[in-house]
Amino acid sequence: NAGVMQNPRHLVRRRGQEARLRCSPMKGHSHVYWYRQLPEEGLKFMVYLQKENIIDESGMPKERFSAEFPKEGPSILRIQQVVRGDSAAYFCASSPGVAGEGNEQFFGPGTRLTVL
Amino acid sequence: SQKIEQNSEALNIQEGKTATLTCNYTNYSPAYLQWYRQDPGRGPVFLLLIRENEKEKRKERLKVTFDTTLKQSLFHITASQPADSATYLCAMGGSSGGSYIPTFGRGTSLIVHP
Repeated sequence: NAGVMQNPRHLVRRRGQEARLRCSPMKGHSHVYWYRQLPEEGLKFMVYLQKENIIDESGMPKERFSAEFPKEGPSILRIQQVVRGDSAAYFCASSPGVAGEGNEQFFGPGTRLTVL
Repeated sequence: SQKIEQNSEALNIQEGKTATLTCNYTNYSPAYLQWYRQDPGRGPVFLLLIRENEKEKRKERLKVTFDTTLKQSLFHITASQPADSATYLCAMGGSSGGSYIPTFGRGTSLIVHP
């Protein structure tokens, strides 16, 4: 059973471009979470999705950021018109049940976004 | 708002000793607390879960305690090995008044010297 997969592992964008980060959860997991991690900072929750639904996007900036988890295919975190402050490691996690009940989250290896 | 504090200074210990990491929290009464390990350039890996009605949890060389009065969790690694060197994150959530999505601390770096 393959773990959570994320691609690309490294992404370089110039200011103003779009970044698309992909996450394939573990087989059988329908709960997906996106986190952002800056150097020397903790993981910051961004958005929680289930298949075709955004459940909680309270941690995601209102502008330029969007996320989806379609019926078929990976979850996508999309950042439009990137700025230097978007440079960070973005982690995706999946769980077999709701994380709020203490279910273990399985994390992917992350995508390191660098904005030039 | 809820706040989770982990010691930002790295913990350096000798191989074979017990490492003890601390996670304190304020303005919150979580229903559960988790500990994760994160290696450089990798995603966190789940280690242990402890619920609010549990005082202690063990798994091999790992032990976690949860003191809801002190609002503190201690994470112990006995007979530590250089391979235990990593950053350890605590996370908590799941109770009313707080986020049901786990909130993570910044992590504490553990360095085990041979």
